[in-house]
Amino acid sequence: EADIYQTPRYLVIGTGKKITLECSQTMGHDKMYWYQQDPGMELHLIHYSYGVNSTEKGDLSSESTVSRIRTEHFPLTLESARPSHTSQYLCASSDTGQSNQPQHFGDGTRLSIL
Amino acid sequence: KNEVEQSPQNLTAQEGEFITINCSYSVGISALHWLQQHPGGGIVSLFMLSSGKKKHGRLIATINIQEKHSSLHITASHPRDSAVYICAVRSYNTDKLIFGTGTRLQVFP
Repeated sequence: EADIYQTPRYLVIGTGKKITLECSQTMGHDKMYWYQQDPGMELHLIHYSYGVNSTEKGDLSSESTVSRIRTEHFPLTLESARPSHTSQYLCASSDTGQSNQPQHFGDGTRLSIL
Repeated sequence: KNEVEQSPQNLTAQEGEFITINCSYSVGISALHWLQQHPGGGIVSLFMLSSGKKKHGRLIATINIQEKHSSLHITASHPRDSAVYICAVRSYNTDKLIFGTGTRLQVFP
């Protein structure tokens, strides 16, 4: 059973608010990822990190930002939420030790901006 | 054209049926993953394979590297197998995962 947690599971909030989506893992994984998934569509990588103080933008452009101050924690922030940010956000982590490690996913945060 | 294509997009089955979901990809890969996503949104990794065949319970995954094709089989399907099954490949060049759009499976009792 993977130990990766996302909070909140659901968030409905008004336009212009600052939002932070939390992601924590207790497996000591160096690699962490944020994906965005619209209903019925594929996952797209928006941010990733290969370790503390390392963050990179993914393949899909996103107005969100991330930080990696601690190995276990990889929060995603939207400074001013807009309806176009409505989507599901999934966090994942994987071990660096061997190549081709599976990614462990959280349960996701469903975000709705009114 | 997506780099990872799955078929069918939707699949309905009667309990007990044998199910096959297909995945074709067009990029060089180092591994292929089969994932299961339940209605709540959480994703579980089912298989990671780079050659041959893997089996876990009633699930079997195969890959043909030359043909750039993988299949996920479910034997003796059950209503609890109802979920979206996602194929994802790890690009050999970028080391990142590229996802298919998923196959929505519904198994009725």
